[in-house]
Amino acid sequence: AQSVTQLDSQVPVFEEAPVELRCNYSSSVSVYLFWYVQYPNQGLQLLLKYLSGSTLVKGINGFEAEFNKSQTSFHLRKPSVHISDTAEYFCAVSGNAGKSTFGDGTTLTVKP
Amino acid sequence: GAVVSQHPSRVICKSGTSVKIECRSLDFQATTMFWYRQFPKQSLMLMATSNEGSKATYEQGVEKDKFLINHASLTLSTLTVTSAHPEDSSFYICSARNSVNSPLHFGNGTRLTVT
Repeated sequence: AQSVTQLDSQVPVFEEAPVELRCNYSSSVSVYLFWYVQYPNQGLQLLLKYLSGSTLVKGINGFEAEFNKSQTSFHLRKPSVHISDTAEYFCAVSGNAGKSTFGDGTTLTVKP
Repeated sequence: GAVVSQHPSRVICKSGTSVKIECRSLDFQATTMFWYRQFPKQSLMLMATSNEGSKATYEQGVEKDKFLINHASLTLSTLTVTSAHPEDSSFYICSARNSVNSPLHFGNGTRLTVT
């Protein structure tokens, strides 16, 4: 079985401040990890993915995440956020026959 | 690349009627498509996995006779909500991938309101 825990349901932050959205996972097999962003009334858009190789992965919109196998974490970071980054962010793990498991989501609110 | 089109984006129907939602992969062949339901301020709840040319695999608690899924080609899967009730009102999202463990590509979702 696999599971994903997003440790913060809501993260308020001021514009141009750094942000970290935390994600921990558990799985009995090797996993692939993803972060998705969802804007209101829309589907999900892939931000970045970790499949293998370098543990630091860079994605779109200036986001990056680091895969830490020993801590089973895949935290998402951005050094300076914009108002337009306000959205729902989902961490997901895929490993068991390709079925993806999503976290409960983190609402990022960027304030001016 | 990797665009998934979901239609309609919004639909309002009367209780007792059926509604069909389409999910198309526009520029890749989707061996597997997934259907989710999302309640406000919540995560995605996987309803079923749809494989081209075979019967869909439903998650526990999802009524297969109520949520009919057809994946007749490598680019199209449909979800039909039969005999809709107000409690079926929700945001339905599809996703597709072209190989195991590749990223999912999502449609923009369908807001279903049953009156």
